[in-house]
Amino acid sequence: DAGVTQSPTHLIKTRGQHVTLRCSPISGHKSVSWYQQVLGQGPQFIFQYYEKEERGRGNFPDRFSARQFPNYSSELNVNALLLGDSALYLCASSFGSLSGANVLTFGAGSRLTVL
Amino acid sequence: RKEVEQDPGPFNVPEGATVAFNCTYSNSASQSFFWYRQDCRKEPKLLMSVYSSGNEDGRFTAQLNRASQYISLLIRDSKLSDSATYLCVVNGVIGGYNKLIFGAGTRLAVHP
Repeated sequence: DAGVTQSPTHLIKTRGQHVTLRCSPISGHKSVSWYQQVLGQGPQFIFQYYEKEERGRGNFPDRFSARQFPNYSSELNVNALLLGDSALYLCASSFGSLSGANVLTFGAGSRLTVL
Repeated sequence: RKEVEQDPGPFNVPEGATVAFNCTYSNSASQSFFWYRQDCRKEPKLLMSVYSSGNEDGRFTAQLNRASQYISLLIRDSKLSDSATYLCVVNGVIGGYNKLIFGAGTRLAVHP
């Protein structure tokens, strides 16, 4: 069975550009969460979506947005990229509930470098 | 104060050693606790959940102390393959919703 899949795996952008990252959850999982992990830090919560509705947003600027599609896949968009946006972006899926505290299974991540 | 705090390490230990990590959390209402393991440049993977009564999985033992608001991870008979970063995870409220909050991680290096 496929786990959480993310694309692209690596990408390089320049300041001011925008980026779209994609995630497909484990089959049967309805919840997708996005985390940002800067080198040397733990993952920081960005968004969670459950049944296509936003169920929480972390302390990130409005340049960050996301959505979830009817098939439960998700996109994370970041506009007007800054050097500080360089990080590993992790998508995690969980079976469900609105709890938000269920076990997360992570994808391999999308490593973004902003020059 | 950070919501989840860990000693960043690194902990450098020889094979066969016993090593323990602690993690403190600030939200006394937290109910869900986990340890995740993250290898270099890889994604975090669940190591074990932490239950109120404590739990053991092979060489790994996790304990929860609610009164002092900390959780611990004990690794016995360390293997080279245990070298990784260990992330402490606790649920907390972000934007009005219950979410999992990660510590910055504790690095473990096991040497021959």
